[in-house]
Amino acid sequence: RKEVEQDPGPFNVPEGATVAFNCTYSNSASQSFFWYRQDCRKEPKLLMSVYSSGNEDGRFTAQLNRASQYISLLIRDSKLSDSATYLCVVIGDYKLSFGAGTTVTVRA
Amino acid sequence: DAGVTQSPTHLIKTRGQQVTLRCSPKSGHDTVSWYQQALGQGPQFIFQYYEEEERQRGNFPDRFSGHQFPNYSSELNVNALLLGDSALYLCASSAPVMGETQYFGPGTRLLVL
Repeated sequence: RKEVEQDPGPFNVPEGATVAFNCTYSNSASQSFFWYRQDCRKEPKLLMSVYSSGNEDGRFTAQLNRASQYISLLIRDSKLSDSATYLCVVIGDYKLSFGAGTTVTVRA
Repeated sequence: DAGVTQSPTHLIKTRGQQVTLRCSPKSGHDTVSWYQQALGQGPQFIFQYYEEEERQRGNFPDRFSGHQFPNYSSELNVNALLLGDSALYLCASSAPVMGETQYFGPGTRLLVL
């Protein structure tokens, strides 16, 4: 079983729509969680950390469910510029484990 | 404030050759991690350096080795290159705190022919 698994998508949504996707992790001792965004042929860039109580950053909402070992990302009011691959990152013992990414395409 | 920098940006090698990739961390960071990202995949953790020592290692063979210098910059060396080593190699730096956010450099694209 992979350490971090994501639905690869693609999620193809119209502008203004809401899109949400999950990421599951296998190590119950994982300590920190993040969502990164990666544009085509670019490096990953931090989108947001994921806190136990859930957190929002503008149109983005992240949730953590430790009991079921998954994190989620919800994007409201999608913009064309939200088109990217979203990588789930789990940290345990100083090691980052990445999911393979979920591709989101927002169409006009 | 310079972010993470990597060199070279692109590299072409042939099978069996050796390659060295370089990374300078973001100002104030002293921990450097290296990742390999194949096309269509997420980054795979190679190893992390802190205080000039390898602190953690992923599932990569000994052909992959590294070094960290006193100024916190780092090198990734790959010996006996295989076609399958063709990938984007990413360096990330962070502060030495468990769970601290990592910031990525632009990467080095390696093509092995």
